[in-house]
Order: sequence, then C-alpha cells, then structure tokens
Amino acid sequence: ETGVTQSPTHLIKTRGQQVTLRCSSQSGHNTVSWYQQALGQGPQFIFQYYREEENGRGNFPPRFSGLQFPNYSSELNVNALELDDSVLYLCASSRSTGPGELFFGEGSRLTVL
Amino acid sequence: RKEVEQDPGPFNVPEGATVAFNCTYSNSASQSFFWYRQDCRKEPKLLMSVYSSGNEDGRFTAQLNRASQYISLLIRDSKLSDSATYLCVVNKRYNNDMRFGAGTRLTVKP
Repeated sequence: ETGVTQSPTHLIKTRGQQVTLRCSSQSGHNTVSWYQQALGQGPQFIFQYYREEENGRGNFPPRFSGLQFPNYSSELNVNALELDDSVLYLCASSRSTGPGELFFGEGSRLTVL
Repeated sequence: RKEVEQDPGPFNVPEGATVAFNCTYSNSASQSFFWYRQDCRKEPKLLMSVYSSGNEDGRFTAQLNRASQYISLLIRDSKLSDSATYLCVVNKRYNNDMRFGAGTRLTVKP
C-alpha cells in the first residue's frame, strides 16, 4: 500500500458533463502529479501541483484543471467531458518536485457515455 | 517520434529464462531514468532507478547509454511473479514531469 488514496474508484458521466476526482497524498509528501492512462498505454502526465500551484503541465487542454489544498491533497477537474476521456486517472505523490520516486494511488476509472 | 519508446511486447518466457527490455528516449536533456512495474489492473510501482554507471538489484540489472539515449532492463532467472508490464520512465525536465513509455508486457510461464 502506498498511502495515496483516490476517490471515487469508478464513475460514469455523460458527454458534456464535468467531473472532479480527488487524491490524498502520502504522509510527508508535498507534491502531487496527475496522470491519464489509456488501456495498453503508459501513464500520460497531465500536471503537477506543489505548494497549491501548478508546477508543470503536459499536453492537455485547459478543460483539465486542478487544485492542491494546504494539506497537500489535490483535485483534478475535467470540464466538457468527451468520450475519449474514458480512461484511468492516476494520482501520484512525491516528497519534492525534483525527479524521484512517484507513489501512485489505485486510480479513478472514468466512463463517459 | 514518441518521447519514450519501448520494445513492443508481449514477451512470453519460461521460468528461469533471462529476458531483456529496451527503451529509447528522445530528449537529450533528460536527467533521471527509472523502470516501473505495473501489475494487471494495479498502479505502477518503482522497480529501480537507472544510474549512469549501471546498477543491479538482485536479479534485475539496469543500464543507461546517454550517447545513444538508450535504457535497458535485464531480468535473470525469471520467476512467475515477474509477470507484469514494465514501464520505462524518463523525466522531461528537472522536476517530476515524468514521461512513461507504453510498457512491455512480460508473462513468465511454468
């Protein structure tokens, strides 16, 4: 167990709706990164949060946004859901923003109908 | 060209076999390299970091060739429990913006 928890584990939405996914980081970790993983692919970096601010972003449109709270937990928000958003969303926490071990949660699997 | 490319799988090997995975990366400024393991329907977990001088952890050996932008993972004496997808990971900048390969699936059979 990594100590990183994500909720919900599964959810179903319809196209055009909005979704919020939540992540609690491992104790002692101040940095949270979000990844999207399609079936048969590796995780794709969405963005990273450190000290409640975005600290790096991958090639994702602005409808993907996030938050980090003072307790280092984080949210991923996706607006105007599209069918292709139906993948696994992984949260990873780490001790710092520098390269090092990422500790992943078990993910939130989103289905968009 | 993808930022991180791995051998296409799957690899199906008998117990006790030696198997090698290769990975190439496109960003010559990358500083940190890792191999992660992902079991079916589970989250990725760090297997080992990859250092310039090469490093070994039990049956696992990782090598880095910066000139060729190439990383490898060698697994000796394969066990059934080694069956998983192995992800090559490279950092894009000096932060935790990690770029993952698509993964190579390994199945070790009795």
